[in-house]
Amino acid sequence: GAGVSQSPSNKVTEKGKDVELRCDPISGHTALYWYRQRLGQGLEFLIYFQGNSAPDKSGLPSDRFSAERTGESVSTLTIQRTQQEDSAVYLCASSPWGGNSNQPQHFGDGTRLSIL
Amino acid sequence: KNQVEQSPQSLIILEGKNCTLQCNYTVSPFSNLRWYKQDTGRGPVSLTIMTFSENTKSNGRYTATLDADTKQSSLHITASQLSDSASYICVVVYSSASKIIFGSGTRLSIRP
Repeated sequence: GAGVSQSPSNKVTEKGKDVELRCDPISGHTALYWYRQRLGQGLEFLIYFQGNSAPDKSGLPSDRFSAERTGESVSTLTIQRTQQEDSAVYLCASSPWGGNSNQPQHFGDGTRLSIL
Repeated sequence: KNQVEQSPQSLIILEGKNCTLQCNYTVSPFSNLRWYKQDTGRGPVSLTIMTFSENTKSNGRYTATLDADTKQSSLHITASQLSDSASYICVVVYSSASKIIFGSGTRLSIRP
């Protein structure tokens, strides 16, 4: 497809397990963003990639969270030793350029993560 | 602290009516302001993007305005349709970094 693709769409796991979320951005988009959206709340910035580098990781809430991007394409967000407070929708977005450019972000439909 | 505040939190209007959603921000310096529409269970979709120097931008029945002096923006929806039922999110982009601040959104419900 032509849009941003995220997988899985839903993930239910037990507290303490590790999870890996995947994002396939639009081909050719150099900027990629991860956000977290808790129920009824606004999006929280997690991390931003320009190419394969992450110049801004300031939104990662703890050292249990990490992300990588390879081939200026696919990105994975990993949460280790999940806690119930990690339950949220994790959204990925991409855009042709990053930073403060005036180009819109294109979002995937997110991964809904539920920690039991 | 930089913030983006939206009002009202929720709004119910009848199909065919107009409505206006508000966004106040304190982000400084400022690069651009965006409005997104987010349907339930989906990712946000961009409606408009306005730079500091732009006062208004339209996208079909959606018209966004920006007053950079008072740090206020509004999104006006004309002749609402049932498909307009969604959350509308105001987003402000910093000038100095890749930081993007999202408002909590206004949940709009259109009733037939």
